[in-house]
Amino acid sequence: EPEVTQTPSHQVTQMGQEVILRCVPISNHLYFYWYRQILGQKVEFLVSFYNNEISEKSEIFDDQFSVERPDGSNFTLKIRSTKLEDSAMYFCASRRQGINSPLHFGNGTRLTVT
Amino acid sequence: GENVEQHPSTLSVQEGDSAVIKCTYSDSASNYFPWYKQELGKGPQLIIDIRSNVGEKKDQRIAVTLNKTAKHFSLHITETQPEDSAVYFCAEGSGGYQKVTFGTGTKLQVIP
Repeated sequence: EPEVTQTPSHQVTQMGQEVILRCVPISNHLYFYWYRQILGQKVEFLVSFYNNEISEKSEIFDDQFSVERPDGSNFTLKIRSTKLEDSAMYFCASRRQGINSPLHFGNGTRLTVT
Repeated sequence: GENVEQHPSTLSVQEGDSAVIKCTYSDSASNYFPWYKQELGKGPQLIIDIRSNVGEKKDQRIAVTLNKTAKHFSLHITETQPEDSAVYFCAEGSGGYQKVTFGTGTKLQVIP
């Protein structure tokens, strides 16, 4: 069964550094998402992406965050200048065309900002 | 804005017993209600979902019920097994881009 894959599984970075989290969505999917989960808390929506542009973003997704689909297979989340509070699990998700088609999640990247 | 409340936050059951997790939502436009299971170190995995035109859906030991009038929906797991132990999230979705908003999660422990 096709999967959403994310790399790296764990990223450690120093405060103020830029990080790029990478995702390969399922190949025939058209909608892409990033969510984050602070340890022990709920999964929070960050951003959705469709047709090469952001379709919706949350208050968390401020100017320090950006997303890109640089080619036909990758979907990236960049954090420009990381803060301690950015430490969390970041999940990529994708879904195919069709109303109410389910989101498929990757296994996440654990970001630790020191 | 979307708000999904989920109860209980933790649930322990004996193997073979049933488990019920309940969620309420606030957005009248919500029309899609998935349930996700999250095992340690993994991403959320869809286990069942229900659309707003259906009141109940069943898949083997898992069932979900939806009451749109009261804005609540529930997950029922029967004949629980140790491998059902995980964190379960309800969620709701609406709109064309179909982002889902997660509940706060329920940590289910099935005791052998």
